[in-house]
Amino acid sequence: DGGITQSPKYLFRKEGQNVTLSCEQNLNHDAMYWYRQDPGQGLRLIYYSQIVNDFQKGDIAEGYSVSREKKESFPLTVTSAQKNPTAFYLCASSPRRRTGELFFGEGSRLTVL
Amino acid sequence: ELKVEQNPLFLSMQEGKNYTIYCNYSTTSDRLYWYRQDPGKSLESLFVLLSNGAVKQEGRLMASLDTKARLSTLHITAAVHDLSATYFCAVDFRLLEYGNKLVFGAGTILRVKS
Repeated sequence: DGGITQSPKYLFRKEGQNVTLSCEQNLNHDAMYWYRQDPGQGLRLIYYSQIVNDFQKGDIAEGYSVSREKKESFPLTVTSAQKNPTAFYLCASSPRRRTGELFFGEGSRLTVL
Repeated sequence: ELKVEQNPLFLSMQEGKNYTIYCNYSTTSDRLYWYRQDPGKSLESLFVLLSNGAVKQEGRLMASLDTKARLSTLHITAAVHDLSATYFCAVDFRLLEYGNKLVFGAGTILRVKS
């Protein structure tokens, strides 16, 4: 079945460590996105990519990095520079021409100890 | 500034009652989306509204879009417990220099009590 797979589902990290969250899609979508969700808030855009080997910063990119070497994959690294990384992270994709209708993965919950 | 405001942010309703969630946005757009999120889960697309006057219905939920008023509503008819979730609206703004930007509301937590 087509869809978006995020891993791991739960992740614990010590302060000062970098962690990478995986996002893979087999929907043949051009665009991929990373969002952060905090309790009681809407989704905030971290990074997005419209095409392979290209990506742009969203509203809260500081302390995060991404790559887009393959169409199917858009991993997110949460670096030690991210001051408050504990959150629920959602990856999404969309066909290029319909940017608003997003298809979401199941999410990754990161907790910094 | 691009803003999307939902209200109420929390809604507790009795089963069988009707209610409406409102989504206001700050500047012109004719593309709006409603999503549902169950606790600890991902977001699921509910409705895609792509023009002024658009109305979509699925079961006990009906969404509409008034682009002139910059307002979308999500109406719940005869609520049942299974509708308990968080509902988000998201507005697709077209910006000349930026392209499209999707902005989410803060979400409305709906609890249906028996």
